[in-house]
Parts: sequence; structure tokens; C-alpha cells
Amino acid sequence: QVQLVQSGAEVKKPGSSVKVSCKASGGTFSSYAISWVRQAPGQGLEWMGGIIPIFGTANYAQKFQGRVTITADKSTSTAYMELSSLRSEDTAVYYCAREYCSSTSCYLDYWGQGTLVTVSS
Amino acid sequence: SYVLTQPPSVSVAPGKTARITCGGNNIGSKSVHWYQQKPGQAPVLVVYDDSDRPSGIPERFSGSNSGNTATLTISRVEAGDEADYYCQVWDSSSDHHVFGTGTKVTVL
Repeated sequence: QVQLVQSGAEVKKPGSSVKVSCKASGGTFSSYAISWVRQAPGQGLEWMGGIIPIFGTANYAQKFQGRVTITADKSTSTAYMELSSLRSEDTAVYYCAREYCSSTSCYLDYWGQGTLVTVSS
Repeated sequence: SYVLTQPPSVSVAPGKTARITCGGNNIGSKSVHWYQQKPGQAPVLVVYDDSDRPSGIPERFSGSNSGNTATLTISRVEAGDEADYYCQVWDSSSDHHVFGTGTKVTVL
């Protein structure tokens, strides 16, 4: 059974950066993409970007281009999401999720427990 | 970018059928996936590729997709089905995921 375990809650100042980790177990880490999805308080799900560890190249939603960096360490089966220039609107729960692709599409079949990032002065 | 529109809320009595729609331009040409999210929990995949169910998801959850609307149907609704539901598609040209606006299902 695939498990994704994320790092703990963070409180950050505006203008700073945060790096959230997502450690995978129970599956072949390198072969599947890992996506990052965030959810602001009371709001919906928002896809930020993803990475296929075996290739190492990341793909970002346009909204976050230039501010988010997604990386993966195959040796520890861990993915990372770093968001910079934080502002209060970045206060949200950040989820990692494994992406599975069928013959027709891709979806997120396993999710981490979420990491609350609070941006406050 | 591609937009998926869901009704903000759906109310249903126990034992009845809930239908949650997801509207998008020619969405019938894409594969649609559905997630259930209960308060304080991570989303859970309940339907993938329009109408398939992951292991462990009750048969009461079913999906369809045609034209400009995809639908998640929950039959014989139970109190435990009360949650937010999101549709999602994958844009193969950009390798981006798009989520719907979300629907809160309330069991009366």
C-alpha cells in the first residue's frame, strides 16, 4: 500500500520561503509523478505542479511559475515543494499526491495527509 | 485555461440519489475523475476515468460523462456521504490537472 507522509505545519513571515516534504513508501517512487495541490481555508483544490522523479523535470501551473520549485530525491523517495515570496494568501493546506496514468488520462490516487502553512507577520 | 463548473451545494435525503454535475467545454471528450473530501481530511479518489471505481469504493458511487457535462451519482445516500466533492480532468497537451469548483453534499 502506497503511503505519502508529509512534513509538519509551518508558520512563516511574509516574503519568506517554505519547503514541504513528502516521503513515499510502499511503491516504486521514481516511476510515478508526484503532484502538489493546495487548499486555502474554505476554498477548493488548486493544482500547483508536479514532477516525475525518474526524469527530474517539473511542470508548474502558470499561476505559480517563478515562485514554486518542485524537486525529488530518488535516494530517499522524497518529493519537495518550495514556495517563495510568501504572502498571506498562501496560507493553505498543501497536499502531495501520487499521479497514476491510465491509457486515457491521469489522476491522483494516493494523497499525503496535508501540511498547513500559515503566513503571518 | 480549461474551466470546470460545479454547483456549490446539493442536498439529499438519506436513501435517495444525489447527482453532482461538472460542466466543461466538450468535457465528454476527456476522462473525468472524482474526489470526496471530508472536513479536515485529504481528498479520496472515488471515481476515475469517468465511471471506474477504485478498490474499496462502494458500488453506490457511479459516474457518467457526455457532451458538456459529467455527473457523479451517489445512490442510496448515507449520512457518511456528506462531504465536498471535486471533479478533475487532465490536460494532456500541458500535462496540467484542473479541478472543478467543488460541491458540498448535505444529507438532510
